[in-house]
Amino acid sequence: EVQLLESGGGLVQPGGSLRLSCAASGFTFSSYAMSWVRQVPGKGLEWVSAIGGSGGLTYYADSVKGRFTISRDNFKNTLHLQMNSLRAEDTAVYYCAKDSSGWKGWDYWGQGILVTVSS
Amino acid sequence: EIVLTQSPATLSLSPGERATLSCRASQSVSSYLAWYQQKPGQAPRLLIYDASNRATGIPARFSGSGSGTDFTLTISSLEPEDFAVYYCQQCNSWPRTFGQGTKVEIK
Repeated sequence: EVQLLESGGGLVQPGGSLRLSCAASGFTFSSYAMSWVRQVPGKGLEWVSAIGGSGGLTYYADSVKGRFTISRDNFKNTLHLQMNSLRAEDTAVYYCAKDSSGWKGWDYWGQGILVTVSS
Repeated sequence: EIVLTQSPATLSLSPGERATLSCRASQSVSSYLAWYQQKPGQAPRLLIYDASNRATGIPARFSGSGSGTDFTLTISSLEPEDFAVYYCQQCNSWPRTFGQGTKVEIK
């Protein structure tokens, strides 16, 4: 059974940093691209960042480029999102999501973790 | 950036009725479009990929069609568990983008 479990969320002040992690199990982690998608409570979905299976390819939304860094540890089956220079508008539930295959959408999602940026 | 526009914003229907949801892209995404269902307090669930292929375990009452810039998600006969928000998402280019969502509510 595929499982994705996010951790590392919480309350942080504007300008601060936070590192999200997503522990994956139930599939060959290194064979699949992964993404982070966020959602302001009560609002729509926003893709944040993606990384290829080997970690060699990374992509970012313009809204986080230069502030967020996606990475993965294929030995520990873990996905990370390092978030620096956080802003109030980064407040959202962050989901990690597994690519279905061939960058065709995300077939498994974590339960989401809340990040709140506030003083 | 490709903008996806979904219509209508809200669809009020009764169980057993047919639901037709639209997604229009600001430029061609070929057939690289996915649909998701999201219920309150839950993560999204992949329904359709490549515009018309049902994801694993998705009931046959869900179907997708379209290519280029115009896409449709059809639910042939609404079940009580189908009342939710539906999002389209393009997989053609970076950055990946979502539509703003269509809420299917009980009439």
